[in-house]
Amino acid sequence: GESVGLHLPTLSVQEGDNSIINCAYSNSASDYFIWYKQESGKGPQFIIDIRSNMDKRQGQRVTVLLNKTVKHLSLQIAATQPGDSAVYFCAENLGDDKIIFGKGTRLHILP
Amino acid sequence: DTGVSQDPRHKITKRGQNVTFRCDPISEHNRLYWYRQTLGQGPEFLTYFQNEAQLEKSRLLSDRFSAERPKGSFSTLEIQRTEQGDSAMYLCASSPQTAQETQYFGPGTRLLVL
Repeated sequence: GESVGLHLPTLSVQEGDNSIINCAYSNSASDYFIWYKQESGKGPQFIIDIRSNMDKRQGQRVTVLLNKTVKHLSLQIAATQPGDSAVYFCAENLGDDKIIFGKGTRLHILP
Repeated sequence: DTGVSQDPRHKITKRGQNVTFRCDPISEHNRLYWYRQTLGQGPEFLTYFQNEAQLEKSRLLSDRFSAERPKGSFSTLEIQRTEQGDSAMYLCASSPQTAQETQYFGPGTRLLVL
């Protein structure tokens, strides 16, 4: 079936190190992927997106990599800061403008 | 603040009561979405509007749930005869016509049914 999931429920990273959050998706027809950040008590916040015709896209301190061969998506956060603590969701748009979210990975920043 | 806004932010109600939530999308966004999120899970799609037309409803949206967007601007989500299983965060998102795939979320309304 169609699903988006994450390999690790919790990721602990030392402040200043790079973080890598992984995601697997199962619908090979998906053509648009989004990473959202959700802080406690808040709604998901758009971070970065990527279309299926790309394999890499960079933003400010964030990079998304897409490997369509193995249906894998990752979010890299450079020089992780305390403010990066949140739950990160990958999501796929199935072309009908519904977003399917995974369960999320909690990123914990160690001092 | 020009983002998506939702009201109320928190609602506690007794089982069997009706509740109504409001969402104000980003100005001029023609699409508006409702999601439900339970603890530890990602948001789940409920329904969406393009302007005032409700285009799709998830099977998660039982007969007790109704959503409206009468003037194509703000939207309301009503839950009738609330049940404890309705306790969740209800999220609203909107997207512009020029980039309909990119949805911007509001802060959500957290519902607790006692």
